[in-house]
Amino acid sequence: DAKTTQPPSMDCAEGRAANLPCNHSTISGNEYVYWYRQIHSQGPQYIIHGLKNNETNEMASLIITEDRKSSTLILPHATLRDTAVYYCIVRAASYNQGGKLIFGQGTELSVKP
Amino acid sequence: DADVTQTPRNRITKTGKRIMLECSQTKGHDRMYWYRQDPGLGLQLIYYSFDVKDINKGEISDGYSVSRQAQAKFSLSLESAIPNQTALYFCATSDRTKPGETQYFGPGTRLLVL
Repeated sequence: DAKTTQPPSMDCAEGRAANLPCNHSTISGNEYVYWYRQIHSQGPQYIIHGLKNNETNEMASLIITEDRKSSTLILPHATLRDTAVYYCIVRAASYNQGGKLIFGQGTELSVKP
Repeated sequence: DADVTQTPRNRITKTGKRIMLECSQTKGHDRMYWYRQDPGLGLQLIYYSFDVKDINKGEISDGYSVSRQAQAKFSLSLESAIPNQTALYFCATSDRTKPGETQYFGPGTRLLVL
């Protein structure tokens, strides 16, 4: 699985958009970009994933560059409850293709009033 | 995710004791996983199961065993607990028929081995 690089920490003002970057320059053609978050020792929470196209759901938007070497997770209107560690993970579609879910250090997002 | 439950949520045990952590899911997923998380670190895969008869070791399976009693239930056992198994344990599930095969996690079990 491709390695990812994320900033260790970021701050965001409540109500503003939080833009979390992730570099994955060695990503392969069959690998998805996943985002999870973990709020203080709770179970990791799935946010969004994508392959090539930008994706949006009720929680966030995922913007993937055309060369797929980087992506940005956007929380459009951050709240205090969005304070968490955010993990960007690149993996193949399933274990049959070697798609283990490997959690790195992530980005610790602090949303401030 | 409320569809994936883990019991107990907290457990204190002594060195040498055998303990079992249980995971149940109502999502109808065929695949289940056990991870552990040490303080300040990412998750490490212990065991995973593609279906009831297919169980595989993960990165750190030594000292652990598992049982897939039914599609909805996946148990993790520590045969003889030791202090460095003190950690957070998470169960996860996924559906191999869904594109991307997203994994969904339970709330975790906090284990302390004295």
